[in-house]
Amino acid sequence: DAGVTQSPTHLIKTRGQQVTLRCSPKSGHDTVSWYQQALGQGPQFIFQYYEEEERQRGNFPDRFSGHQFPNYSSELNVNALLLGDSALYLCASSLVVGTHGYTFGSGTRLTVV
Amino acid sequence: AQKVTQAQTEISVVEKEDVTLDCVYETRDTTYYLFWYKQPPSGELVFLIRRNSFDEQNEISGRYSWNFQKSTSSFNFTITASQVVDSAVYFCALGAPNAGGTSYGKLTFGQGTILTVHP
Repeated sequence: DAGVTQSPTHLIKTRGQQVTLRCSPKSGHDTVSWYQQALGQGPQFIFQYYEEEERQRGNFPDRFSGHQFPNYSSELNVNALLLGDSALYLCASSLVVGTHGYTFGSGTRLTVV
Repeated sequence: AQKVTQAQTEISVVEKEDVTLDCVYETRDTTYYLFWYKQPPSGELVFLIRRNSFDEQNEISGRYSWNFQKSTSSFNFTITASQVVDSAVYFCALGAPNAGGTSYGKLTFGQGTILTVHP
């Protein structure tokens, strides 16, 4: 049973560029959340998608946007990259009404230079 | 606002020692969920346990045990007879149902505790 799959695993971008990260949820899961984890910190919630709609959003600027597709997969887009956007981006999936919490992927390591 | 505090930034023990990781939380929600995750160097957060706010039973799973005390807003995690494979970063997290209709909504994580178990 495949868990959460994220791509790419590593990425290097230049300041000002745009980036798209992708996530395929665990089989059977319908809800996807995105987190940003800076080095040495705990993950910070970006937003959550269910039924192709953003259901909740954390304290992130509009440069961070997302999308969920009919097959429940999701994308995270970041525009006008800043050096401070360098982090591990984690995707987590769950059931809208679940009992086991989230399943996390291994993340995408984004480096902005 | 929700907040999770993990008092220990780093803990170093020798194999077979018992170790307790502390977690204190703050929330105004009456229904909430507490989690512990393990993050090995690979980066993936590995689910260890979920606890509902209305279930204060302690739980034991092999060498792992959890002590949930609502009166002190704490959800501590103990590893008995630690092993080198337990070395990782451990996160305590707090979640609650949200208005968007999903079970857990936003998870608020603590800063993490780096556990190093020496042979």
